[in-house]
Order: sequence, then C-alpha cells, then structure tokens
Amino acid sequence: EAGVAQSPRYKIIEKRQSVAFWCNPISGHATLYWYQQILGQGPKLLIQFQNNGVVDDSQLPKDRFSAERLKGVDSTLKIQPAKLEDSAVYLCASSLVRTETQYFGPGTRLLVL
Amino acid sequence: AQKVTQAQTEISVVEKEDVTLDCVYETRDTTYYLFWYKQPPSGELVFLIRRNSFDEQNEISGRYSWNFQKSTSSFNFTITASQVVDSAVYFCALSERNTGNQFYFGTGTSLTVIP
Repeated sequence: EAGVAQSPRYKIIEKRQSVAFWCNPISGHATLYWYQQILGQGPKLLIQFQNNGVVDDSQLPKDRFSAERLKGVDSTLKIQPAKLEDSAVYLCASSLVRTETQYFGPGTRLLVL
Repeated sequence: AQKVTQAQTEISVVEKEDVTLDCVYETRDTTYYLFWYKQPPSGELVFLIRRNSFDEQNEISGRYSWNFQKSTSSFNFTITASQVVDSAVYFCALSERNTGNQFYFGTGTSLTVIP
C-alpha cells in the first residue's frame, strides 16, 4: 500500500514570495491533516479536512496560509507571502477516519531567506 | 498547559543498553488515544503504537514495550537492547474524543544510540 506522498521535499524561497505544497493521502483515507514542525518542536496542526470539508483550521494563520482539498483526495497548502518564521517542515498526514491512527508523509522542508 | 509532556529532551545510551522514554499526559476526557511515533533523520514520522484509554494492558513488540498507567497518566516506552538504528526523535501524542480527536504532540525525545 502506498504511503502519503508529498512534494516538493525541499524548497528555498525569499521572504514575501509565495510557495505551495502538495499532498496525496493514502488511498481511501477520508481525513487529511497539515502540520507545521519547527526545528526542535513537535508537529503543530494547521488544518484538518474530512473529505473536502474543513474540520479544524483554528491554528492556521489565515492572513497568509490557505489550504484546499477540492475533490476530497489530494490537497495543497499555500503560503503567501512567506515570512522568515515560516521556515519549518510541513507534514501531511491522513487517516481512515478521524478517530484512527494518522500516517505521515516525508514532509516538505521550507527555508525562507 | 501542555497536554503531553516529554521531560527528557535528549538521551544517549550505548548500544545494547535498555532505555525508557517517558510520556506524561493530561486530559479530562474519558475516551482518548495515546500514540508513539518515531522520527528518524529522514524526517518522516513513523507510527509505532496506538492505545485507547480503556486498554491498560502493557504491550510488547519485539524489542519495544509500552507501559500505560492511567493512575499516573503515563505512557512510557522502553527499548530493550538498543541498536544504532533506534537513534531518532520519539514523539508521544494524545488524541481526545472531546476535541474532535485532534492530535497533541509532545516536544519529543532525541535518542542517540552510541555504537
């Protein structure tokens, strides 16, 4: 069974530029999550989707971050414009349903200069 | 307040030693789940175990074992006869039914196994 796929794996941009990350969850998983992991910390949930609907985006900085999961399968997370403090690993995870174990992708390492 | 506390920031052991990683959680929910994940240098979080709040049985899987004690709100993880490949950051996580099963991660324990 294929795991969670993410791209790109690495991205370097300058502050005020835009960037987008892509995630394809495990086939059949209804719930998709985006996390931000700053160096030395645990992952912090940014947004959670159930199919194509948002369940929780309370910690998403909505002035610069946006995410969508239009067809209820893959998802994109966008940052516009990026700030230095956005440098982190962005992890995507999926689960069969909300109560089940989350499986994580390899992450995208973002460096904002 | 931190819902999941991993007090050990970094641990170093010599290969073949046993090591225990501590995890203390805080919740008022009666239905919750506890998890351990391993994050090797490659960065991907690898699922290790999931326990629900109604199952306090300890679990053993090869060299890994987990001790769940509701009385002390702890879910500790022991690696027996550690190996270099065990070197990673280990995260404990809590999922509460009352908060829509949102995951709360601890800050992680970085384990280094010295050959």
